[in-house]
Amino acid sequence: DIVLTQSPDSLAVSLGERVTINCKSSQSVLFTSNNKNYLAWYQQKPRQPPKLLFYWASARNPGVPARFSGSGSGTDFTLTISSLQAEDVAVYYCQQYYTDSRTFGPGTRVDIK
Amino acid sequence: QFHLQESGPGLVKPSETLSLTCTLSGVSIGPYYWNWVRQAPGKGPEWVGHVTYSGSTNYNPSLKSRATISVDTSKNQFSLTLTSVTAADTAVYYCATYLAAPRESRWYFDFWGRGTLVTVSP
Repeated sequence: DIVLTQSPDSLAVSLGERVTINCKSSQSVLFTSNNKNYLAWYQQKPRQPPKLLFYWASARNPGVPARFSGSGSGTDFTLTISSLQAEDVAVYYCQQYYTDSRTFGPGTRVDIK
Repeated sequence: QFHLQESGPGLVKPSETLSLTCTLSGVSIGPYYWNWVRQAPGKGPEWVGHVTYSGSTNYNPSLKSRATISVDTSKNQFSLTLTSVTAADTAVYYCATYLAAPRESRWYFDFWGRGTLVTVSP
C-alpha cells in the first residue's frame, strides 16, 4: 500500500494568517501516461463526512473558496489556506487514488489561536 | 438530489458479523463503483472496498478476507458484511462514490453518506 504522511499533526494560527499543510507519499502518485497526480484533499468537520476540496492535486472542487489552494507533484504535496477564516477549523486529509487500494493520510487539525 | 444513506446495527459483539446497507436515492446503481470507507475514532479514513453494478469487488488487503461487499440492483442498495469483528473494527462506516468517472476504479470520492457509527463491544 502507498503510505501517506502529513505534517504537522496539528496547528493553531490567528484569523487571517496563512496555513500550510504537507502530505508526503511513500511512492510517486504521478501517472506519467496522463501527467496527472492521483492525490486529493478533504476537509472534515465534527460529525460530518469528509468534503472534497481538491483532486488531481490542484483542481479545486466547485464551491471551494479561492483562499484554498493545492500544489505539488510526485511524492510531495501541499494544501494552503491563504487567510484562515473561522469556518476553516477542521481536520484536513490527503488521499491517494493512484492504486485501487486507496489510502488516506492521518490528518492535520487546524484550530484558531 | 443524489443521496446515500447507511443503515445497520450500531452495536455488534466481538467475534460476530457486522452488516451494513447503503441505500441510494436520486441515482441508480448503474456503471459506477460503490465504496465503503470507515473511520476509527480519532483516525484518518480507511478504504474498505468497492463493488460494481455487475458485482465485481475489490477489498483493502488489511481486512484479510473478512469483508464482503454485494450489490442489489432491484433495491438500489449495496451492502457490507465484516466477519469476526474485534474492537479494532469500531468506526464510523461511510458509503461513498463518484459519478464523474463510471467504470473507473481509481478516482476521488465526491459523494459521501452521513456515516453510521458501529461499536464492537460485549
